[in-house]
Amino acid sequence: DTGVSQDPRHKITKRGQNVTFRCDPISEHNRLYWYRQTLGQGPEFLTYFQNEAQLEKSRLLSDRFSAERPKGSFSTLEIQRTEQGDSAMYLCASSFPGREGKMNTEAFFGQGTRLTVV
Amino acid sequence: SQQGEEDPQALSIQEGENATMNCSYKTSINNLQWYRQNSGRGLVHLILIRSNEREKHSGRLRVTLDTSKKSSSLLITASRAADTASYFCATDTGGGNKLTFGTGTQLKVEL
Repeated sequence: DTGVSQDPRHKITKRGQNVTFRCDPISEHNRLYWYRQTLGQGPEFLTYFQNEAQLEKSRLLSDRFSAERPKGSFSTLEIQRTEQGDSAMYLCASSFPGREGKMNTEAFFGQGTRLTVV
Repeated sequence: SQQGEEDPQALSIQEGENATMNCSYKTSINNLQWYRQNSGRGLVHLILIRSNEREKHSGRLRVTLDTSKKSSSLLITASRAADTASYFCATDTGGGNKLTFGTGTQLKVEL
């Protein structure tokens, strides 16, 4: 396992179409995060899972966005009825909790999926 | 929303010089992390400093944390052209381990 893997790397879609992205975390990591990054900005948190449970969702995650992690391994992020404003880099990260149960450990990021909505 | 802000937004130096980037944040934290991002790529973790630590070193990197001022700095010594990238600070405020990133510093190291 060489790291967090995201697929596809690039996606161009027409406005109104649905898209789905996949993230495969590092195998022993039970926490998985999705972030969105627009040009010139830092990543913004969207949602995170511990095993298969989705524990938190940002207000950035509108009703058109849904994320799943059905078996506690890979995750998918779906965007329905895409809008031009959805164009961004979607980053996935995974981590393993520290001894205190909190995140005093690093997050490992994938290469991201760059979405362009035309 | 972005928690922190990096300063400067852009920095251009010559190879061999030191680069210092600063990060300010707004709320109490569990830890602060620095990441590097090459153009159009994912983020690479550089260093994590806990809220009860004041300074940490890793190779050519030195990070300081001042929780009273809610600020951190990243020093890269003897910079190399390969250090050219964007650098982000990210804070973990303890709410489910999500990271809140700053706006980043674009570092350019010229030969």
